[in-house]
Amino acid sequence: DVKVTQSSRYLVKRTGEKVFLECVQDMDHENMFWYRQDPGLGLRLIYFSYDVKMKEKGDIPEGYSVSREKKERFSLILESASTNQTSMYLCASGRVGIMNTEAFFGQGTRLTVV
Amino acid sequence: GENVEQHPSTLSVQEGDSAVIKCTYSDSASNYFPWYKQELGKRPQLIIDIRSNVGEKKDQRIAVTLNKTAKHFSLHITETQPEDSAVYFCAAPSNFGNEKLTFGTGTRLTIIP
Repeated sequence: DVKVTQSSRYLVKRTGEKVFLECVQDMDHENMFWYRQDPGLGLRLIYFSYDVKMKEKGDIPEGYSVSREKKERFSLILESASTNQTSMYLCASGRVGIMNTEAFFGQGTRLTVV
Repeated sequence: GENVEQHPSTLSVQEGDSAVIKCTYSDSASNYFPWYKQELGKRPQLIIDIRSNVGEKKDQRIAVTLNKTAKHFSLHITETQPEDSAVYFCAAPSNFGNEKLTFGTGTRLTIIP
């Protein structure tokens, strides 16, 4: 069974804090993604990575950065959390590209910035 | 980059009737079109996908059609059941090696018993 695991289910942080969201996958997937999900806006891509140490901006990268030091781990960093970053964050992994296959999602982290 | 548009945003159908959700995409190089279902409080999961070398694919009550010329693809659910109530997302890959997976804004499907 494929597992994509996010480190926290719920987080509450203060404005201005540096926040780390961690994601680990156990299927040796090359591609990993971070999305945020907001009502009416669907799944919006923040950043993605197609290999270790490789990262590309998605559609809404402002205010975020990522790190991929190991193939199985992809971290999302909020450099200085703001209230408009309150959202559900979903990590996913898969084999996208020439051999497109299913993307598997983590259980999500609901982040509240107060 | 890829732009994926999905319609409608909400859809209510009587149990037993059919439901159709449509998506359009902008990147003509996209070659893979998955559909995901997200039940309340759960993570999105793949329900069906289609590759650009076929026009239609069926899996029991679910089918997906692809029109590459018009750059649109659709999800068809027949004989709908209460457990079909969920949010459905279409997606398409883009970027140089198709590594970027862009999702539509989602359709909330409600099946009325």
